[in-house]
Amino acid sequence: KAGVTQTPRYLIKTRGQQVTLSCSPISGHRSVSWYQQTPGQGLQFLFEYFSETQRNKGNFPGRFSGRQFSNSRSEMNVSTLELGDSALYLCASSLDLAGAQTQYFGPGTRLLVL
Amino acid sequence: DAKTTQPPSMDCAEGRAANLPCNHSTISGNEYVYWYRQIHSQGPQYIIHGLKNNETNEMASLIITEDRKSSTLILPHATLRDTAVYYCIVTDNYGQNFVFGPGTRLSVLP
Repeated sequence: KAGVTQTPRYLIKTRGQQVTLSCSPISGHRSVSWYQQTPGQGLQFLFEYFSETQRNKGNFPGRFSGRQFSNSRSEMNVSTLELGDSALYLCASSLDLAGAQTQYFGPGTRLLVL
Repeated sequence: DAKTTQPPSMDCAEGRAANLPCNHSTISGNEYVYWYRQIHSQGPQYIIHGLKNNETNEMASLIITEDRKSSTLILPHATLRDTAVYYCIVTDNYGQNFVFGPGTRLSVLP
């Protein structure tokens, strides 16, 4: 089976712009979670989607949003980019709702905000 | 906050067993222990998980103490490619997200 794929792999944006990242889960997986990783804060949970509905949300401002499509693919959007949004954004998929379900991570999208 | 405590770093000689400890003294009965590792800015890779019993797969063994307050991940014959940050995570069955702590940076030395 193909693993979790994320596009694009690298992205450079400027402050104030918005960005959309895409994640394709492993075939058959219905849950997609997003994480942000920075050197200062480590790996932090953003949100989780299951059956096109957001099921869990981390402690991030409303500029961070996401959605899931009927084929389980997911996108996350960051509006009004700030320098501190520079990070590795990771997507993980699991068969069912996350938690005790094993999550499989993609390679990540590295975002640089200038 | 993460429910686990791990040493920030460890060294291991190539070919020897690497034993990575994790303390999770507040774990509750329905919570699993998961181990992931992350090799230099790649996505975290699943290693193993367990609830009460010890577990073994092709990558590693997981030893959970009888009181479940701590566990040890064992890489039986560490190689240079096992150099990574190892995360121990405690999570339950109710759709809760994984909470990653800072993990243990394992350096396998030649």
